[in-house]
Amino acid sequence: DTAVSQTPKYLVTQMGNDKSIKCEQNLGHDTMYWYKQDSKKFLKIMFSYNNKELIINETVPNRFSPKSPDKAHLNLHINSLELGDSAVYFCASSQSDRATEAFFGQGTRLTVV
Amino acid sequence: AQSVTQPDIHITVSEGASLELRCNYSYGATPYLFWYVQSPGQGLQLLLKYFSGDTLVQGIKGFEAEFKRSQSSFNLRKPSVHWSDAAEYFCAVVPYSGGGADGLTFGKGTHLIIQP
Repeated sequence: DTAVSQTPKYLVTQMGNDKSIKCEQNLGHDTMYWYKQDSKKFLKIMFSYNNKELIINETVPNRFSPKSPDKAHLNLHINSLELGDSAVYFCASSQSDRATEAFFGQGTRLTVV
Repeated sequence: AQSVTQPDIHITVSEGASLELRCNYSYGATPYLFWYVQSPGQGLQLLLKYFSGDTLVQGIKGFEAEFKRSQSSFNLRKPSVHWSDAAEYFCAVVPYSGGGADGLTFGKGTHLIIQP
């Protein structure tokens, strides 16, 4: 049973479209994250949610909007997609009140054409 | 703000040889330290972690890492690499003691190539 699952795994779309990536974790964690991995493999945090509350919002265009309907889900919605949004997006989760590692999903490869 | 430096972008090692991947961090206190591995087209898998205690930590797949406070380093080692170890390796830190919702700060990764 997958701990952190993302859908879809691949997403190809045209510039200007709006798309969503879904993430679910079954670990009972209270914190979820979105990371972006660029073409040079660099990983950078985008958002952090703790108990459905936005904690971290790095310098990300406001075309990116995370939504957390409950502690187990954190979706990423992207409006007006641009070529530069092409990347791999990773969802992760962890537990905030104890020392523990983050668990990552398999990633969503977004290609904007 | 914390930062992580992995000075080697690419490393090539012969199968069966030993491996050391370097990681240096910059942070005012002792952070939590991690090594993750990413195989092609895959997500990130935790190899090992350091929170406190013994500075030599053992991980999965025969990897170990040593935390050296004086050098602000957390180098990853393996005595004998296998072809399946070819992957991207990331060192990461999180500043919080006791958890928190801060995300990981990653190094830029080291691409490991295994020569037959």
